[in-house]
Amino acid sequence: GAVVSQHPSWVICKSGTSVKIECRSLDFQATTMFWYRQFPKQSLMLMATSNEGSKATYEQGVEKDKFLINHASLTLSTLTVTSAHPEDSSFYICTPWEYEQYFGPGTRLTVT
Amino acid sequence: AQSVAQPEDQVNVAEGNPLTVKCTYSVSGNPYLFWYVQYPNRGLQFLLKYITGDNLVKGSYGFEAEFNKSQTSFHLKKPSALVSDSALYFCAVRDRGRDDKIIFGKGTRLHILP
Repeated sequence: GAVVSQHPSWVICKSGTSVKIECRSLDFQATTMFWYRQFPKQSLMLMATSNEGSKATYEQGVEKDKFLINHASLTLSTLTVTSAHPEDSSFYICTPWEYEQYFGPGTRLTVT
Repeated sequence: AQSVAQPEDQVNVAEGNPLTVKCTYSVSGNPYLFWYVQYPNRGLQFLLKYITGDNLVKGSYGFEAEFNKSQTSFHLKKPSALVSDSALYFCAVRDRGRDDKIIFGKGTRLHILP
């Protein structure tokens, strides 16, 4: 089956710093990735759709300058949280467009 | 735009009893429907999906779901609940003919009582 990895699995950073989260497809090529965020005890909210070789498509209300998404290759999509604040603390999850069965394990971001 | 409703925040079931977790959906076109389970501090695990064909879909860990087009429902069921089934369950819908996004319900916490 299609394997999706995320790195790091858990990160703690200070307010004002930037954090990069990687989402890799290990045994297939992913032209498109969905990025979600999940607050504690809440549902998954779609943030954006990343497309290899082109700009990401952001959902309404998501700050594109704060959540930078890059899909540099067919196996790597990255989400960078810039100038992080405590309210950005969340669980971030990716999944490939092609395989709804396979979600990344998630990255827990804690901003202090 | 598509949407998913899970009307119950929590469902409590005694071990060994049948369980049902409800889900209704709204899409413009033909829906792809999914159920996922999430354990604490973990990612999502896929249980089953409906695309077309038989309305009764069988999935992982003994779970099944029934697609009902007239009621726009896709309820998750299991004949005999296990304590280990206690987790957070998400229903999701994808409208492949339109904006093609996967949209999740708010989730239902399932408690299986020993």
